[in-house]
Amino acid sequence: DGGITQSPKYLFRKEGQNVTLSCEQNLNHDAMYWYRQDPGQGLRLIYYSQIVNDFQKGDIAEGYSVSREKKESFPLTVTSAQKNPTAFYLCASSIEGGRSGANVLTFGAGSRLTVL
Amino acid sequence: GQQVMQIPQYQHVQEGEDFTTYCNSSTTLSNIQWYKQRPGGHPVFLIQLVKSGEVKKQKRLTFQFGEAKKNSSLHITATQTTDVGTYFCIQGAQKLVFGQGTRLTINP
Repeated sequence: DGGITQSPKYLFRKEGQNVTLSCEQNLNHDAMYWYRQDPGQGLRLIYYSQIVNDFQKGDIAEGYSVSREKKESFPLTVTSAQKNPTAFYLCASSIEGGRSGANVLTFGAGSRLTVL
Repeated sequence: GQQVMQIPQYQHVQEGEDFTTYCNSSTTLSNIQWYKQRPGGHPVFLIQLVKSGEVKKQKRLTFQFGEAKKNSSLHITATQTTDVGTYFCIQGAQKLVFGQGTRLTINP
């Protein structure tokens, strides 16, 4: 079955440690996205990538880094510079990032990060 | 990406009552997408509207896109407990930005 796999589902880390969240898709989608969701809130865009080896900052990129070395993978690193990293992180992909009608998002199940 | 404002932020209804959420933009939207997120889950795509004045139905859900393409609505007829969740509208091409959504709770 095609889809997006995020891992781990739950993650606990100590303050000051970097954490990398995995996102893999086998949908052959060009575009991938990372969102952060805090309890009772909407989704905020962290980074997005329309094509391999290219990515752009979203609205809250500070304290995060990404890479897009392969089409199917878009890992997110939460660095120690991120002041409030505890959140629900959602990865998504779409067929294309720019063309209207081709940017419907398919989401992974999410990763819940808790920093102690 | 342009952000749309969504109202209300919260809505609590009795099971069987209708529910409507609205998205409004100050600028013309190229398209609008609707998603549903169940509690503890991830957003799931419901529908995309592209044409001015477009109306689409999915069983008890009716989606409308305004004539000026500046607003949209989602109406649920006779809510059921399975409708509980947060409904989001978004628009955008390259940078898909979500609003706060409308959180629907239902009293059985």
